[in-house]
Order: sequence, then C-alpha cells, then structure tokens
Amino acid sequence: DAGVTQSPTHLIKTRGQQVTLRCSPKSGHDTVSWYQQALGQGPQFIFQYYEEEERQRGNFPDRFSGHQFPNYSSELNVNALLLGDSALYLCASSLKGGSPLHFGNGTRLTVT
Amino acid sequence: EDQVTQSPEALRLQEGESSSLNCSYTVSGLRGLFWYRQDPGKGPEFLFTLYSAGEEKEKERLKATLTKKESFLHITAPKPEDSATYLCAVQAATSYDKVIFGPGTSLSVIP
Repeated sequence: DAGVTQSPTHLIKTRGQQVTLRCSPKSGHDTVSWYQQALGQGPQFIFQYYEEEERQRGNFPDRFSGHQFPNYSSELNVNALLLGDSALYLCASSLKGGSPLHFGNGTRLTVT
Repeated sequence: EDQVTQSPEALRLQEGESSSLNCSYTVSGLRGLFWYRQDPGKGPEFLFTLYSAGEEKEKERLKATLTKKESFLHITAPKPEDSATYLCAVQAATSYDKVIFGPGTSLSVIP
C-alpha cells in the first residue's frame, strides 16, 4: 500500500523564481492538505483540497496556490519566491470527515 | 482563534527515565486531538487520535491522555530509539478537516 509520495525531495531556487511541488496521496484518500514547516517549528497549514477545489486556507499570501487533479494528486505552486519561503513543504492526505492525516516526507525548498 | 502550545520545548532523558510531554489547546469545539512523531528530515508519523476528555490510548512505551484543556503524552522507560520530535495537533468541529499543529517537543533519550 503506497503511502504519500512527494517530489522532488530537494529543490534550490533563486529569489523571484517560481516553483511547483507535487504530491500523490495515500491510496484510497481523497483530501490533500499542504503544510509549511520552518526549521524547529511545527507545520503551518497552507490550504486543503477536496473534489478539486480549495476548501480551506491558512494565513498565506496569494503567491501560494494549488491544484488537485481528478486522481486526487495535487500540486503546490509558489510564485515570486522570497528567502523566507525556505522550508520543508509537507503534503498530507486523508479521507473527508476527519481521519488522521498521513504525511509524505516533504520537499526541502531552499531559496537563495 | 484555535491554538496549540506544547511544553517543554526540549527534553533530555536517560534511558529508562519516564516522563510526560504536555499539549495545551484552545479550540472552538474539539473534533479530535492527534499526536505525531517526527524524525529529522522525515514527515510526521501518526501515533494517536483522542476524541473526548478521559480517553486514553497506548502504544508500546507511549500513552496519550486527554482532558478538556490539555493532553499528555507519557513515555515509560524510554529507549534511545524514542528520540524524535513529538507534535500535538487539533481539529476543530467547525473547520472542516483543517488540523492545527503545535510547535513540538524535541525528545532526546541518552543511553
């Protein structure tokens, strides 16, 4: 049973560039949530997708956007990268209705 | 606003020395409280879900308990492999499936 997979595992970008991160949910899951985790901090909620729509959003600017595809996989896009966007980006999948989140191992983004 | 705090920020234990981690939460109607373990460079790994005050869950050397304002993660006779960051998270009844995390407690177990 494949768990949550994320790609790429590491990424280095320059300030001002754009980045796309990808996530495949655990088999059978229909909801994808994205989190940003800075070093030494807990994960911060970015947004959640269900039925290809953004259902909830945390306190992140519009530079952060996403998409969910009919096969439930998801993308996170970040435009106009800032140095402060350097973090571990985590994708989590679940079943609608509040089942526990299952996380991938994240994408480590470094902005220089 | 829904909020989760954890204490201590870091904890060093000798192997076999039992202790507890604290999670305090403020949420508008608790749907569930979760404990996760996170190893360096990895995503959080689900441990427990607690739904109502008085509930307890156990797994090997770990036991999680829940009150109306707090949750505790008790670690009995820890081993070095229990070293990790332990994250507490809550889901409010009014927020669809949004889960809010605390900052975590970094646990080091010394042989």
